[in-house]
Amino acid sequence: GQQLNQSPQSMFIQEGEDVSMNCTSSSIFNTWLWYKQDPGEGPVLLIALYKAGELTSNGRLTAQFGITRKDSFLNISASIPSDVGIYFCAAHFGNEKLTFGTGTRLTIIP
Amino acid sequence: SAVISQKPSRDICQRGTSLTIQCQVDSQVTMMFWYRQQPGQSLTLIATANQGSEATYESGFVIDKFPISRPNLTFSTLTVSNMSPEDSSIYLCSVEVGGVTDTQYFGPGTRLTVL
Repeated sequence: GQQLNQSPQSMFIQEGEDVSMNCTSSSIFNTWLWYKQDPGEGPVLLIALYKAGELTSNGRLTAQFGITRKDSFLNISASIPSDVGIYFCAAHFGNEKLTFGTGTRLTIIP
Repeated sequence: SAVISQKPSRDICQRGTSLTIQCQVDSQVTMMFWYRQQPGQSLTLIATANQGSEATYESGFVIDKFPISRPNLTFSTLTVSNMSPEDSSIYLCSVEVGGVTDTQYFGPGTRLTVL
């Protein structure tokens, strides 16, 4: 089946640093989604991307839909304590089910 | 977007019993999904629940173990039957919103612990 390889698996950064994570696949997708999950909560949609090459921002977050349609990245600028959590990429093609990445756990070191 | 609520938010159950999880959406949606998230893992799709038809189950999940109801366009239930400790997970309801630019939104989840 389709797989999304998400990296890094975990990140330990200091407050104020920028963060970058990505997802890659051998399959082509036509929608990429980025979610954040806090402990004990459901995933919350951060950014949705629908077109190859699309670059979309949501506050300090920026995500891009790779031009090959096989990858996407998420950047967080000037991290703050509430950015802590697990970030998941997800993607699908047509009517196929959503495929999820394995997640990136972000920890901010005081 | 969509606002999704789930009940219960958490439960601790005994082995061999069943638990029914409810999912309510604030708008009518065609596609509803049930996911399982085991501790420290990503999300795994259990089944797709469409109103007026039987749920479609993913490989590894069966109706006898996870019966689903979808009586209308804003509500669905998932039952975890004859539970064992291996069923301890977070169960998440999700809905698809949109048409050409479809997007999935998730409920807050139900944290299930089976003793």
